[in-house]
Amino acid sequence: ETGVTQTPRHLVMGMTNKKSLKCEQHLGHNAMYWYKQSAKKPLELMFVYNFKEQTENNSVPSRFSPECPNSSHLFLHLHTLQPEDSALYLCASSQDPSSSNQPQHFGDGTRLSIL
Amino acid sequence: DAKTTQPNSMESNEEEPVHLPCNHSTISGTDYIHWYRQLPSQGPEYVIHGLTSNVNNRMASLAIAEDRKSSTLILHRATLRDAAVYYCILATGNQFYFGTGTSLTVIP
Repeated sequence: ETGVTQTPRHLVMGMTNKKSLKCEQHLGHNAMYWYKQSAKKPLELMFVYNFKEQTENNSVPSRFSPECPNSSHLFLHLHTLQPEDSALYLCASSQDPSSSNQPQHFGDGTRLSIL
Repeated sequence: DAKTTQPNSMESNEEEPVHLPCNHSTISGTDYIHWYRQLPSQGPEYVIHGLTSNVNNRMASLAIAEDRKSSTLILHRATLRDAAVYYCILATGNQFYFGTGTSLTVIP
């Protein structure tokens, strides 16, 4: 298996539920990212992890809690979400966390719907 | 605020070249220009990137203006599988700044 894999592909949850999104990369990369893609809006960077350490948190509400246990796995823990959090959540990875001369490889995302 | 400006949509006939423009007037000297495309129900897919010189790969060509304030993605021969949203991105460190992209329609 190659590339960046995200599970589940679709998730429907109530506002009081707790769920987690999972991302796994098989590319040997050192940096991993969470993005949010809402309808008609540009992709928004949420979190960046370099060598398992969080280096960016772009003013994301605390109801989103990331976890990076190792360089290959990234989780996004969700609790008490709001309807406006319904979106496509994308995971990406790149080889060199400090270089803009590196492409990012994206998974196909988790489509999240909050009831 | 988005750092790149692209037309919302473009059309092309199948098997003809397509030139997708992008303006990035606030680009800094160390920003790389990346292009990605996104098909429905998929994540963004890397197309090409460059700094100052024009770049070619098997998917496309990237033409970068001499002042670096604009660039053009060139698909040499559009196919129906090239229909997608194309994003022009400025990369600063490991942060990518996406715009709203250009939706390309390929007409058979």
